[in-house]
Amino acid sequence: SQKIEQNSEALNIQEGKTATLTCNYTNYSPAYLQWYRQDPGRGPVFLLLIRENEKEKRKERLKVTFDTTLKQSLFHITASQPADSATYLCALDRNYQLIWGAGTKLIIKP
Amino acid sequence: DAEITQSPRHKITETGRQVTLACHQTWNHNNMFWYRQDLGHGLRLIHYSYGVQDTNKGEVSDGYSVSRSNTEDLPLTLESAASSQTSVYFCASSPDRDEQYFGPGTRLTVT
Repeated sequence: SQKIEQNSEALNIQEGKTATLTCNYTNYSPAYLQWYRQDPGRGPVFLLLIRENEKEKRKERLKVTFDTTLKQSLFHITASQPADSATYLCALDRNYQLIWGAGTKLIIKP
Repeated sequence: DAEITQSPRHKITETGRQVTLACHQTWNHNNMFWYRQDLGHGLRLIHYSYGVQDTNKGEVSDGYSVSRSNTEDLPLTLESAASSQTSVYFCASSPDRDEQYFGPGTRLTVT
C-alpha cells in the first residue's frame, strides 16, 4: 500500500532562516502532490500543488520541489516568520483521492 | 463569500447512539469528502461524493454512511457510535481534481 512519511518530530527554525520540510512516499507514482498548512483547532488550508512533470513551483516565500525518481517532495519557506509556525501536511493524488502524510510541526523562533 | 461549514463543532455521545455530522458548502463544488484525523495519523478518507446521488467508500468507511441529495450538503452518519470513532472529523470540497477546501472540523467524543 502507499506510504507517506513526513518528519514526525517538530522542526525548530530561527526567524529569517529557510525552513525545509520533507515528504517521502513509496509504492506509488502520483500524478501530483499538494501541500497544506494546518493551525491548531482548524482545518487544513491549501498552499501549493505540483504535478509530476514539474520540478519546482513557487508562490511568494514558498517553494516546492518534486523528485519522482527519489519519490520525494521538499517544501521550503524562505525568510521564515513566527507566523509561519504551524503543521504542514503533504498529500498525494491517488485516482482522484488524496493520501495524506501525518504532518510536520514547524516552530519559528523569534 | 463562499464557505464550508460543519456542525456541531463539538459533540459528546454515548456508545451505541446514532450520530449525524453536518457539512454544508456554498462553493457549488461537485466533489465532497469526509476525513477523520487522529494523533499520529494523516487524514484518513471515510466517504466521498462526486455529485448528487453519488457516494463512495473511502479507506475507513466501516460504521459510517453518507448521502448526497443536493450539491451543498454531505451529512456523515455514525450508525452506532463506538469509542474507536472518537476523533476530529473534517469535511472538504473541491471543484475538480485540485485543491480541497476544508471546514473547521467537528470534535466527536464517544463515551
